[in-house]
Amino acid sequence: QKEVEQDPGPLSVPEGAIVSLNCTYSNSAFQYFMWYRQYSRKGPELLMYTYSSGNKEDGRFTAQVDKSSKYISLFIRDSQPSDSATYLCAMSARGGNKLTFGTGTQLKVEL
Amino acid sequence: GAVVSQHPSWVICKSGTSVKIECRSLDFQATTMFWYRQFPKQSLMLMATSNEGSKATYEQGVEKDKFLINHASLTLSTLTVTSAHPEDSSFYICSARGTSGVGYNEQFFGPGTRLTVL
Repeated sequence: QKEVEQDPGPLSVPEGAIVSLNCTYSNSAFQYFMWYRQYSRKGPELLMYTYSSGNKEDGRFTAQVDKSSKYISLFIRDSQPSDSATYLCAMSARGGNKLTFGTGTQLKVEL
Repeated sequence: GAVVSQHPSWVICKSGTSVKIECRSLDFQATTMFWYRQFPKQSLMLMATSNEGSKATYEQGVEKDKFLINHASLTLSTLTVTSAHPEDSSFYICSARGTSGVGYNEQFFGPGTRLTVL
């Protein structure tokens, strides 16, 4: 079993839809949770950074962490074609240290 | 802020040659830099962690004599793929963690280097 599980997709939604992306994990030591966006042939770009459980909102993006269920989510409101990318969840036991990534979910937002 | 660059962005080389990839933190000092490898449609796999002025720590299964890492300053780390072979063809990405302020406790990624070994 992988430490971090993420549905690879692809996920296709119409423009304006609410997108829900999720990851589950098995290591209870993880305390820091991140979502990265990666466009094709580019490096990952940090979208959201959360410590421990709770919600965090930034513009159209909301990150949720449920440590009791070992489940994290990223919601994208009013999705745009420019949101089409691969979304990677990542987590670590200590801030800034070794990250364990999910496989990434490929998202396509269609006009 | 928190910009990380990599050079080159892509490289093609012959089997048996060595290739050096540079990773620079442009607007912050990075005590720690990380090197990842990503195969097509797969996630990032950590290869090694390097701290400025000390030897890199390699992940299990990564050959330290093949993937030489040098972190000579707070803004530069290099990865040298020695005697490259076609199976080393991949997308290599570095990230940097800051000392304080910008980048502290977070990893910021470079744009990646695509290596193709013929």
